[in-house]
Amino acid sequence: AIQMTQSPSSLSASVGDTVTLTCRASQDIKNDLGWYQHKPGKAPKLLIYGATSLQSGVPSRFSGSGSGTDFTLTISNLQPEDFATYYCLQDYDYVWTFGQGTKVEIK
Amino acid sequence: EGQLLESGGGLAQRGGSLRLSCAASGLTSRSYAMTWVRQAPGQGLEWVAGILSGGLTDYADSVKGRFTVSRDNSQSTLYLQMNSLKGEDTAVYFCAHRRGPSDGLDVWGQGTTVTVSS
Repeated sequence: AIQMTQSPSSLSASVGDTVTLTCRASQDIKNDLGWYQHKPGKAPKLLIYGATSLQSGVPSRFSGSGSGTDFTLTISNLQPEDFATYYCLQDYDYVWTFGQGTKVEIK
Repeated sequence: EGQLLESGGGLAQRGGSLRLSCAASGLTSRSYAMTWVRQAPGQGLEWVAGILSGGLTDYADSVKGRFTVSRDNSQSTLYLQMNSLKGEDTAVYFCAHRRGPSDGLDVWGQGTTVTVSS
């Protein structure tokens, strides 16, 4: 199965900061990657699909980039509601795989 | 936008079985794919299984041969039959919907909890 590696595993940031999360695939997955936000006790939420497309209703401070094996999620002007765990998910292979997550915490 | 509602979770014995259901409502178009994702206590998200609109299925290695995903399109319901349960299957199980082949998982249920005891 394709391995997805996210970094960092956690980070601390302040409201208003810009943060960049990375996800690396163990092989070329074209642009078949999504980013999801997950808060405890809630359902995960789709932010980005196709590596760069912003899901309808998601604030424009979220953006995705990359293709092939290296991908990034950038959150600009971090808001209090953005503190959560973020996961990448590859759907290139028949067997999909998540990264291990990046927890974004309040500094 | 639609809603998904999981049911069927609960306590099961090691080696036992459970069947999860996921009822869809308000989804205006037939979904391209439906999937199951789980989160074990203190762990991250894990993709478990998926089924395409044509019926093709795939599974994570951790559940292959033990879990079966199916769907009843007439009743807009997704199922996950879980057999030979192990302690490591203890998790919150979410179902999720994918509208098209280039889309992400855009609609999620709230999850149902499965606990496997010894």
